[in-house]
Amino acid sequence: QSALTQPASVSGSPGQSITISCTGTSSDVGGYNYVSWYQQHPGKAPKLMIYDVSNRPSGVSNRFSGSKSGNTASLTISGLQAEDEADYYCSSYTSSSTLEVFGGGTKLTVL
Amino acid sequence: EVQLVESGGGLVQPGGSLRLSCAASGFTFSSYEMNWVRQAPGKGLEWVSYISSSGSTIYYADSVKGRFTISRDNAKNSLYLQMNSLRAEDTAVYYCARVVGYSYDYWGQGTLVTVSS
Repeated sequence: QSALTQPASVSGSPGQSITISCTGTSSDVGGYNYVSWYQQHPGKAPKLMIYDVSNRPSGVSNRFSGSKSGNTASLTISGLQAEDEADYYCSSYTSSSTLEVFGGGTKLTVL
Repeated sequence: EVQLVESGGGLVQPGGSLRLSCAASGFTFSSYEMNWVRQAPGKGLEWVSYISSSGSTIYYADSVKGRFTISRDNAKNSLYLQMNSLRAEDTAVYYCARVVGYSYDYWGQGTLVTVSS
């Protein structure tokens, strides 16, 4: 069982917006602004999409945005495109001995 | 161009050992903290270990503590993971990842470790 809880799957049509949630505790998501989001296509390495809750690395489309409220972080993808179909993982710094925790991943299907 | 290339994976029997390497290029390796992250087949990501830029600070996931050892050679631009007493549940693709702040901005392509008799 993963430390952070994500929905197993979400779907949307091209052009629509979707949101993926990531729920933790006050020891991780709720306690620090150190939530990251990663995109992973099948057979590929993860790619950083969002860091520190809402910041986009250079080169990442502004269709990707992040936010946080309490113990839940969210990734929103607007204007869905076929190439957005992938697995998405959230992660957070944690005050526990684990140091870093990941969510179980969410499979995004673009219909 | 930043590149991280893992090697050393393979098939090993339960209880055996394996040493993974990660060759870094395209950046000043000695200035960056590094991590190992693994992914079991069909499963999610799991943080394994962290090492500071100088190698003086190290952390491990509880699942590997006492069995795995992370190290680095800044002169050789290389990161290592010595894995001992391997178990079936250690079967995974192992990625090395560069740390920036509290996130991982570059990842290697991964190396597959299979623990099976």
